[in-house]
Amino acid sequence: EVLLLQSGGGLVQPGGSLRLSCAASGFTFSNYAMSWVRQAPGKGLEWVSVISGSGHSIYYIDSVKGRFTISRDNSKNTLYLQMNGLRDDDTAVYYCAKDHEVTREWQLLFDYWGQGTLVAVSS
Amino acid sequence: DIVMTQSPDSLAVSLGERATINCKSSQSVLYSSDNKNYLAWYQQKPGQPPKLLIYWASTRESGVPDRFSGSGSGTDFTLTISSLQAEDVAIYYCQQYDSNPLTFGGGTKVEIK
Repeated sequence: EVLLLQSGGGLVQPGGSLRLSCAASGFTFSNYAMSWVRQAPGKGLEWVSVISGSGHSIYYIDSVKGRFTISRDNSKNTLYLQMNGLRDDDTAVYYCAKDHEVTREWQLLFDYWGQGTLVAVSS
Repeated sequence: DIVMTQSPDSLAVSLGERATINCKSSQSVLYSSDNKNYLAWYQQKPGQPPKLLIYWASTRESGVPDRFSGSGSGTDFTLTISSLQAEDVAIYYCQQYDSNPLTFGGGTKVEIK
């Protein structure tokens, strides 16, 4: 059974930092690209970042470039999102998500999602 | 960026009746080299992560009831629930995975009339 178990998150002041983790099981983690998707309270879904299975290819949306860092440790089957310089508009539930198929880089179609973790940025 | 526009924002349908949700992309998500539409549909219930229903515009994910179907090509797509059940109350999102950044529609809330 595929499981994505998220941890991290919480309340942080503007300008602060947090690290999210997503521990994967039930599949060959290193074969699949992984993404982070966020959802502001009462709003729709916004994709944030992706990392290829090898970790060699990475993409961020413009609004988080230079502030967020996606990474993975394939020996620990864990995905990370380091978030620095947090702003009010980063407040959201953050989900990790697994690509549906094995590809050379990424597919960006998600068949399994973590349970979500709330990041609240407020003074 | 490809903009995904869903309509309506919400709809109320009687149990057992058909629900139809539309999604329009600002540019084609049909990839000519493989003739596939890079369009997916997700269902999200309150307090839960999204669940993949449909991909390649019309392929049902394993385990998804056959009352859910997807259609369309190019820029115009439809998700149909043929006979609405109480457990289908949710928000539905379309998503294009043709090009970075991937983008979602704004969502359509489906309720029981």
